[in-house]
Amino acid sequence: AQSVTQLGSHVSVSEGALVLLRCNYSSSVPPYLFWYVQYPNQGLQLLLKYTTGATLVKGINGFEAEFKKSETSFHLTKPSAHMSDAAEYFCAVSSSYSGYSTLTFGKGTMLLVSP
Amino acid sequence: EAGVTQFPSHSVIEKGQTVTLRCDPISGHDNLYWYRRVMGKEIKFLLHFVKESKQDESGMPNNRFLAERTGGTYSTLKVQPAELEDSGVYFCASSQQGVGTKNIQYFGAGTRLSVL
Repeated sequence: AQSVTQLGSHVSVSEGALVLLRCNYSSSVPPYLFWYVQYPNQGLQLLLKYTTGATLVKGINGFEAEFKKSETSFHLTKPSAHMSDAAEYFCAVSSSYSGYSTLTFGKGTMLLVSP
Repeated sequence: EAGVTQFPSHSVIEKGQTVTLRCDPISGHDNLYWYRRVMGKEIKFLLHFVKESKQDESGMPNNRFLAERTGGTYSTLKVQPAELEDSGVYFCASSQQGVGTKNIQYFGAGTRLSVL
């Protein structure tokens, strides 16, 4: 069984400040980890992913996340927030053992960016 | 290349009526998934097709929900009769067969279903 916990349903930052969205996962097998973003009135867009290899992964729009197995975490960061980053962010986990695998999502974190 | 397409984007129906949601996956993607997000809750898995076969339908809430994928192309999700608790956003996703990066799911914009 797999599960994802996202700390904080809402996170508020000022423009230019560091963005940190927390994600912890539970998985009985080596996980694949994902961050998806949903902008207002749009669908889910893949932000970045960890499958194998380098544990620090870079995504679109300046976001990155680090897979820390010992902490079972996959926190999302961005050095400097922009107004256009305001959206809802979802962390998700799937199994690496299958050629297809359902995603288990966290509850989502709404990022609010103020001027 | 076209992405995952869902329609309608929004549907408002009355309790007891029938609604059919459609999803067109990315061309060549054998895997097709349906997910649902009820307001305030997490996005939850409903079912998974590999080509035209149902691989896993463990997330389907009850027998009022019927999913099909004719010829392994587009998929439909029918709710009959709809209940108030069926309201939410229904997402469709597709992926290629295989492990690693082929396992990445691409999502459509979703269908927002409102049952009054």
